[in-house]
Amino acid sequence: KQEVTQIPAALSVPEGENLVLNCSFTDSAIYNLQWFRQDPGKGLTSLLLIQSSQREQTSGRLNASLDKSSGRSTLYIAASQPGDSATYLCAVRPSGTYKYIFGTGTRLKVLA
Amino acid sequence: DTGVSQNPRHKITKRGQNVTFRCDPISEHNRLYWYRQTLGQGPEFLTYFQNEAQLEKSRLLSDRFSAERPKGSFSTLEIQRTEQGDSAMYLCASSLALAPNTEAFFGQGTRLTVV
Repeated sequence: KQEVTQIPAALSVPEGENLVLNCSFTDSAIYNLQWFRQDPGKGLTSLLLIQSSQREQTSGRLNASLDKSSGRSTLYIAASQPGDSATYLCAVRPSGTYKYIFGTGTRLKVLA
Repeated sequence: DTGVSQNPRHKITKRGQNVTFRCDPISEHNRLYWYRQTLGQGPEFLTYFQNEAQLEKSRLLSDRFSAERPKGSFSTLEIQRTEQGDSAMYLCASSLALAPNTEAFFGQGTRLTVV
């Protein structure tokens, strides 16, 4: 059974810091992995999608990497801003299925 | 296109009542998903449609839950005889079926409170 873990559960940093959020999954047989952002009481906003054959994806200040064999992904946020404060969720789509399995998220607070 | 739309945004109901939520996916997306999210947790998969066919249901989807996507466009999720444990955010997502553009897009959710 696929399980997804995100570390740390919460993170508070001063504005301007570069930071790394971690996601690990137990079964390397995945189709893709997607990172989402969720603001309090809101839905999910897609940030980056990495196919199983890819090693990384970049969008603006965000970079996500994928090491399928070790069951790890990282989301790198450069030059963090208070507007980046949110919960970041990692989700994997196991091979042969269409559903996503989510981690419990990392709650990020960027202090001005 | 304004993305995935869910209605209502909030619903408060008394225990034992039936409720129905609606999801309008992104217009060209043929895959539609329902998830449930409780406080402090990640979303949990409930069910999935490709066009009008319901292809997978989670064991979380008890007999009191039913989902439909009658014409392969919008979908409804009905909960009968609601219980306090049904209180959660219900999220809908849609995607294309054709790789590699299978990115899932989520709506703003319907927050259900059962009192």
